[in-house]
Amino acid sequence: DAGVIQSPRHEVTEMGQEVTLRCKPISGHNSLFWYRQTMMRGLELLIYFNNNVPIDDSGMPEDRFSAKMPNASFSTLKIQPSEPRDSAVYFCASSEQLSNYGYTFGSGTRLTVV
Amino acid sequence: KQEVTQIPAALSVPEGENLVLNCSFTDSAIYNLQWFRQDPGKGLTSLLLIQSSQREQTSGRLNASLDKSSGRSTLYIAASQPGDSATYLCAVNNAGNMLTFGGGTRLMVKP
Repeated sequence: DAGVIQSPRHEVTEMGQEVTLRCKPISGHNSLFWYRQTMMRGLELLIYFNNNVPIDDSGMPEDRFSAKMPNASFSTLKIQPSEPRDSAVYFCASSEQLSNYGYTFGSGTRLTVV
Repeated sequence: KQEVTQIPAALSVPEGENLVLNCSFTDSAIYNLQWFRQDPGKGLTSLLLIQSSQREQTSGRLNASLDKSSGRSTLYIAASQPGDSATYLCAVNNAGNMLTFGGGTRLMVKP
């Protein structure tokens, strides 16, 4: 298995532009998570899906952020409009089953908003 | 709300030393605890997963223990090597299958 695949690896965009981050979870994993990592706040859970349904989005910072999972093999995290304070590394992770199994993380997308 | 703390925040040791990284959590009602390694600019690599019913897990030179009642876990690294230099993250999985991460321990092993 190729693991959790994220794209793009790096994204540089201007303030106000729309940014879309993509994630392909491991086949057979039914839970998918989006995390954000910054020096100041460490790793923060933004949202997670179970069986393609959003379960908890309380970590989504504001309405500018939205996430979708149209099918079991694809998820997007969108920021519109982007702001410099959104600059961070965004990780996607998946797990096989609720609670009893570990997470597998993707390599992340490093977002820079200038 | 679960809070996870890792001590120390940074550690520098000479090659060959045995070392212990500490993780504490406030809510002992956990499903499992996972230790990750993160190299600079890279993603997270899972090292060990301990279920709530287990006391420890071992993989090569790594041993992780879990004391749920006291809210503590330790990661023991035997005979440290320069290649072990990285940030080590502890993450607790409790209600709702959400991982809560500690701040990490940044380890430097000097040749």
